[in-house]
Amino acid sequence: DAGVTQSPTHLIKTRGQHVTLRCSPISGHKSVSWYQQVLGQGPQFIFQYYEKEERGRGNFPDRFSARQFPNYSSELNVNALLLGDSALYLCAYRPDSSYEQYFGPGTRLTVT
Amino acid sequence: KQEVTQIPAALSVPEGENLVLNCSFTDSAIYNLQWFRQDPGKGLTSLLLIQSSQREQTSGRLNASLDKSSGRSTLYIAASQPGDSATYLCAVEIFYPAKLIFGTGTRLQVFP
Repeated sequence: DAGVTQSPTHLIKTRGQHVTLRCSPISGHKSVSWYQQVLGQGPQFIFQYYEKEERGRGNFPDRFSARQFPNYSSELNVNALLLGDSALYLCAYRPDSSYEQYFGPGTRLTVT
Repeated sequence: KQEVTQIPAALSVPEGENLVLNCSFTDSAIYNLQWFRQDPGKGLTSLLLIQSSQREQTSGRLNASLDKSSGRSTLYIAASQPGDSATYLCAVEIFYPAKLIFGTGTRLQVFP
């Protein structure tokens, strides 16, 4: 929504591998958050970044990391993948001028 | 710890009915409340946002209300249509870290 893009759309990985997920706004929205949504559940907060600095971290292990680039795009990295990491990963941007958060279409990660 | 609950978990109605979806939260110290729509396997589409100082918001056939003191929000859908079939998620935003806490959603099916 609101032009947020995520890549890839789908991804299949094997246990123990590493994955990088990417997210970009169309305009220079500075605040980005990452969420994990397991099937049948609501999204769970992973990270928030603002102006390239981490502003919040959810209850996820250190295998999860993220960063935000000067153009405000963002990456989520997950190391040593587990079967339980299979989920829809969503990123969301909030414009400085709005309270609403706008989500991308998500990346479906399957770990086998 | 903030918890968000949505009732009912699923709802199936004939076209044309007026609907009420319920959302409750345990801590009234929220920044705002946002309702989202999610189609199967897709990202989240923002429907309405109610700031903590507001009582309700309207958009077309949708009306959302917020009662912070009782920890409740309702989403009212007028004259439902088959295209309204989706999962509806409510989320409260807390202050620190600034993150959304989601309910598990109400899965709505509107049949012709």
